[in-house]
Amino acid sequence: DGGITQSPKYLFRKEGQNVTLSCEQNLNHDAMYWYRQDPGQGLRLIYYSQIVNDFQKGDIAEGYSVSREKKESFPLTVTSAQKNPTAFYLCASKPRGDHLYNEQFFGPGTRLTVL
Amino acid sequence: GQQVMQIPQYQHVQEGEDFTTYCNSSTTLSNIQWYKQRPGGHPVFLIQLVKSGEVKKQKRLTFQFGEAKKNSSLHITATQTTDVGTYFCAGPGSGGSYIPTFGRGTSLIVHP
Repeated sequence: DGGITQSPKYLFRKEGQNVTLSCEQNLNHDAMYWYRQDPGQGLRLIYYSQIVNDFQKGDIAEGYSVSREKKESFPLTVTSAQKNPTAFYLCASKPRGDHLYNEQFFGPGTRLTVL
Repeated sequence: GQQVMQIPQYQHVQEGEDFTTYCNSSTTLSNIQWYKQRPGGHPVFLIQLVKSGEVKKQKRLTFQFGEAKKNSSLHITATQTTDVGTYFCAGPGSGGSYIPTFGRGTSLIVHP
């Protein structure tokens, strides 16, 4: 089945530790995105990538880093510099970064809790 | 970046009542999308509107795009408990980019 997978579903980390969230897609999509969701805040864009080996900061990139070495994969690292990392993290993709048709396909999300 | 404002933030209805959520922008939107997120789930694409004054229906859901392409609405007729969730609108980012900008969402609570 084609789709986006995120692992793990729940993740617990101690304060001060870096943690990497996985996002893999087999939809052959060029563009991939990372969002953070907090209660009542909607979806806020962390980073996005429109093509392999290229990525751009979103609205709340501070304390996060990404890589896009393969088309299928867009891992997100939450660093110790992120002041309030506990949140629900959603990865998404769509066929082309610059196409008018904007349907995004979302993964199931990772709920990160920093203790 | 470009923002889309969505209201209300929460809406409680009795099962069978209608529900509407509104999305507004200060600038003209080239398109707008609607997503639904069930509790504990992830957003799922519902529809995209592109044309001025466009109206699209999906069973009990009616989506409208304003004539000026600055606002949109989602109306649900005769809500059911399966409609529970948060509904998001998303517009294109600033400068006509294709990085979607999401509204804060409207959480629909349906009481049986």
